[in-house]
This record gives sequence, structure tokens and C-alpha cells, in this order.
Amino acid sequence: GAVVSQHPSWVICKSGTSVKIECRSLDFQATTMFWYRQFPKQSLMLMATSNEGSKATYEQGVEKDKFLINHASLTLSTLTVTSAHPEDSSFYICSAATSLGETQYFGPGTRLLVL
Amino acid sequence: DAKTTQPPSMDCAEGRAANLPCNHSTISGNEYVYWYRQIHSQGPQYIIHGLKNNETNEMASLIITEDRKSSTLILPHATLRDTAVYYCIVRVGGIYNTDKLIFGTGTRLQVFP
Repeated sequence: GAVVSQHPSWVICKSGTSVKIECRSLDFQATTMFWYRQFPKQSLMLMATSNEGSKATYEQGVEKDKFLINHASLTLSTLTVTSAHPEDSSFYICSAATSLGETQYFGPGTRLLVL
Repeated sequence: DAKTTQPPSMDCAEGRAANLPCNHSTISGNEYVYWYRQIHSQGPQYIIHGLKNNETNEMASLIITEDRKSSTLILPHATLRDTAVYYCIVRVGGIYNTDKLIFGTGTRLQVFP
């Protein structure tokens, strides 16, 4: 299957700082990328959908000013957690849809710990 | 909200077939059934998807009932590495469609020696 990478794989930061997570489709062009968040022992929760070259669409209850998403190219989307707080500590996972759209492939995830 | 119902957990002996059921009684005519799995602390892995015909690939088989209200994912010879949470998801599929995936709680499959 197609390969999606995320960087970093884990990050620890102080409360109040901002953290940027990258999601890359390595061997295909992704018109659409998705960002999920997963708390311990819970399922994945969709945060937002991003389309290359346009503004992201956020799910209800997700603060767009706190979770900034940029999808500047067909192979890269970034999620910036601004002014992170301990409650933002979570496992952040991205996925990318191939241009045909039939299947989404997921990245390995980024574990964020905010102290 | 997730449109599927799965048992929370299942056990399977190594080498045996693992049959994971999923109910999706409100599935629409243009919705596909997708299966993903998530091994601990990793991103979900795509397994298989189908519309109404049974499907098979190198990982698994997908059996969809004629009325499409339920399906079963079959891992023909489960190994310890198949221990994971398995998610059954319905979404509008087909090419050029990038509809979002909504994850339910899934089935935690434990394969034992």
C-alpha cells in the first residue's frame, strides 16, 4: 500500500509553546489529508479535513485557531498545535487519500506530551 | 456517529481463522464497507473494502450479506501479529470520492498461542 510518514514520531513540550507535526505522502499525491486525535483507550476522532490549496474543514468542537492546518502541496500537510496545554497531550494521526479517493492510508502517528 | 456495531472483543487461537462480525443495518446503496486495524501505538492499517460482492486480498476476506446489513472480516490463519483493534467503517466510496472515515470503537482481537 501507499506510504504516509509523520514527523516527529513523538514530542515533549512545555505548556504554552507551539508544536508542528508534518504529514507526508511518500509515493503518491494526496489531494486530501485528514487529521485525527486519539486519547488513551479511545477510538480515533477526526479533527479536520484538508484539501491541497484550500482551507481545512474542521469537525464540530475542534478549535481552528488552536489547531492550524496547512496543506500547501500534494504531498505535505502540517498540523500546528498552538499554545499547547497538558490536555492537548494525545496521539495525533494523519491520513492521506489517493487521487482516486478510494482508500485512505494512515501515518504512524505522533505522540505529543505537554508538560 | 459511527454507523456500525461490532463486538468489543474477541479471542482467536493462533493458526485458526478469525471471523470478525460487523452490523451496518442502515447502510446506504452507495456506501462501501471498509476494514482497518490498529496495532498498539501505531496508525491504522487498511485491510480491505467492498460494496456488495465478497472480496479477498492477501490479508483477508470480506463477506457481505446479500442485504448488505452485515459483513464479516475473515483472517484465514491468524498469527500473534494479528492482535489489534479492528474497525469496520461504512462510507461513500468509489473513485474520486474522499469522504471522511468515522471510527467506532472497533473489536479488540486477541490472538493467543
